[in-house]
Amino acid sequence: ETGVTQTPRHLVMGMTNKKSLKCEQHLGHNAMYWYKQSAKKPLELMFVYSLEERVENNSVPSRFSPECPNSSHLFLHLHTLQPEDSALYLCASSQVAGGSYNEQFFGPGTRLTVL
Amino acid sequence: GENVEQHPSTLSVQEGDSAVIKCTYSDSASNYFPWYKQELGKRPQLIIDIRSNVGEKKDQRIAVTLNKTAKHFSLHITETQPEDSAVYFCAALTSGTYKYIFGTGTRLKVLA
Repeated sequence: ETGVTQTPRHLVMGMTNKKSLKCEQHLGHNAMYWYKQSAKKPLELMFVYSLEERVENNSVPSRFSPECPNSSHLFLHLHTLQPEDSALYLCASSQVAGGSYNEQFFGPGTRLTVL
Repeated sequence: GENVEQHPSTLSVQEGDSAVIKCTYSDSASNYFPWYKQELGKRPQLIIDIRSNVGEKKDQRIAVTLNKTAKHFSLHITETQPEDSAVYFCAALTSGTYKYIFGTGTRLKVLA
């Protein structure tokens, strides 16, 4: 599959569970992003990685832990989440992080429900 | 902190009419302004963007205008079609940062 892929597409977890979201980009980009999309709220930038180095962390609770092992893969590790963390989590990639004008390509998202 | 205000939150137009969505940004250093379209259950996709050194850009039925003095930019869709129905998001990016600040979205319904 081309573009940006995310797995799983849907996830239901309890507050005591530990799970991980995975994102993979097949575009040769060197920057990757995690966003949270909640109903009637703007897209919230959570984390940015440029060349596998975290360059942005938008005051995200520590129960969300990102990992970027290489420029093509991005993970979001989840533990002890709260019901208000239920949302669509979108991954995106771009050619260069910040600096110049870069189109972001989004993945299809993971619909997360925390019970 | 920086923010982007987007209006209206919902917009219904008759097929063939024009639709206009407006955004206002707070950071005067913002210099790149993309617009994304998100259809129901699908990912956001870039439809048009504008840089701060340009006042207007057109791509077929879609155009974006930018007023740097007033710090606002607008999306214009002419001859709307039912397939234009979606949620549209504006965003602003400041050069040298990684923060794309998004608006709250506009749900556009084109009535046949």
